[in-house]
Amino acid sequence: KNQVEQSPQSLIILEGKNCTLQCNYTVSPFSNLRWYKQDTGRGPVSLTIMTFSENTKSNGRYTATLDADTKQSSLHITASQLSDSASYICVVRVYSGGGADGLTFGKGTHLIIQP
Amino acid sequence: NAGVTQTPKFRVLKTGQSMTLLCAQDMNHEYMYWYRQDPGMGLRLIHYSVGEGTTAKGEVPDGYNVSRLKKQNFLLGLESAAPSQTSVYFCASSRQGETEAFFGQGTRLTVV
Repeated sequence: KNQVEQSPQSLIILEGKNCTLQCNYTVSPFSNLRWYKQDTGRGPVSLTIMTFSENTKSNGRYTATLDADTKQSSLHITASQLSDSASYICVVRVYSGGGADGLTFGKGTHLIIQP
Repeated sequence: NAGVTQTPKFRVLKTGQSMTLLCAQDMNHEYMYWYRQDPGMGLRLIHYSVGEGTTAKGEVPDGYNVSRLKKQNFLLGLESAAPSQTSVYFCASSRQGETEAFFGQGTRLTVV
């Protein structure tokens, strides 16, 4: 069964500090992996996408990594801000020829930034 | 550009009542989805549609029905609400073959 496991479940850090969120998956065959940010009371919004051939990709203070061999991804947040407080969801796409139901969602990491 | 709009945003139902959640998107996306999100669980796919007039079951379809009569709209119906259907419901849309899903704000449904 395709699964996406995220750790930690929740994390509290001080404003200005860095943090790293983890995502392990067993989805096969792998197509790509996205990190979403979900603010409280809002729908998820895509931060970045990682394909099989990509190891690292940055989007401002967010840097995602992918190790397709070990089936692991991480999301590193640098110099955290209060607005980074949110849930971060890892979503992996199985290669199914373009099927609309090929997404597996992780349960998310709930990140709280304290002033 | 409104993106994906869900109505209503909040609703309280009594057990056995019926209701319809409306999702509208203005991005001309082919694919549309309904998910539910429960505490401690990831988003779970209820039903989805790959085009006007077509729908398919997702991971947790029981107790729900859907219709997509127009490309821009995707309706989720609960015929006889149960307390187990208390959840936050998200609608999403995407281009054909594209994995980035654009989500609505969510509908918080409570069944008492």
